[in-house]
Amino acid sequence: DQQVKQNSPSLSVQEGRISILNCDYTNSMFDYFLWYKKYPAEGPTFLISISSIKDKNEDGRFTVFLNKSAKHLSLHIVPSQPGDSAVYFCAASELAEYGNKLVFGAGTILRVKS
Amino acid sequence: DAGVTQSPTHLIKTRGQQVTLRCSPKSGHDTVSWYQQALGQGPQFIFQYYEEEERQRGNFPDRFSGHQFPNYSSELNVNALLLGDSALYLCASSLPSAGTEAFFGQGTRLTVV
Repeated sequence: DQQVKQNSPSLSVQEGRISILNCDYTNSMFDYFLWYKKYPAEGPTFLISISSIKDKNEDGRFTVFLNKSAKHLSLHIVPSQPGDSAVYFCAASELAEYGNKLVFGAGTILRVKS
Repeated sequence: DAGVTQSPTHLIKTRGQQVTLRCSPKSGHDTVSWYQQALGQGPQFIFQYYEEEERQRGNFPDRFSGHQFPNYSSELNVNALLLGDSALYLCASSLPSAGTEAFFGQGTRLTVV
């Protein structure tokens, strides 16, 4: 049972344009959501997060939107740069006493063309 | 400030053998989690350690066990290796509270032949 789904395996975007990566979840108990970026031969790097009490969080070129009623979140990257080309993972977790047990989606490969 | 470090980076083992992977958390972090990432999939949670005890566990068999030391470093042990255990094993460290991000190491690539 896949609780976090990234339905687009890949996305190709022109440099300077907006990249929108989507993520859906099924567990209504999730209350913290994160996006990670992963380059080959490296571990995932934290990008941005959002708590369920918010619907938007912004950090520089990265903005995450959360729609709790639709159980959907998205990551917007504006403007997209060639260095953003990587695999992007959406992750979610429930409130837990000892920190986050993250549930990941399968990832979306983003290619930014120059 | 050293981030999360894992060793070794690559490992080849034979089916039926046992393996130990090691992780040192980011400075200031005392909670360590382990994840398995199979090819083409997202990381899957194995278990989490805090104060030298296993606090949460994912859907993995007892062949997967771990340990946390007083300096917060951790080991992941896998017994009776199967071909299906071939994957990237990731260690993540964090603070022991909800709503904080986890920082990952570069991973250990385990190949079982």
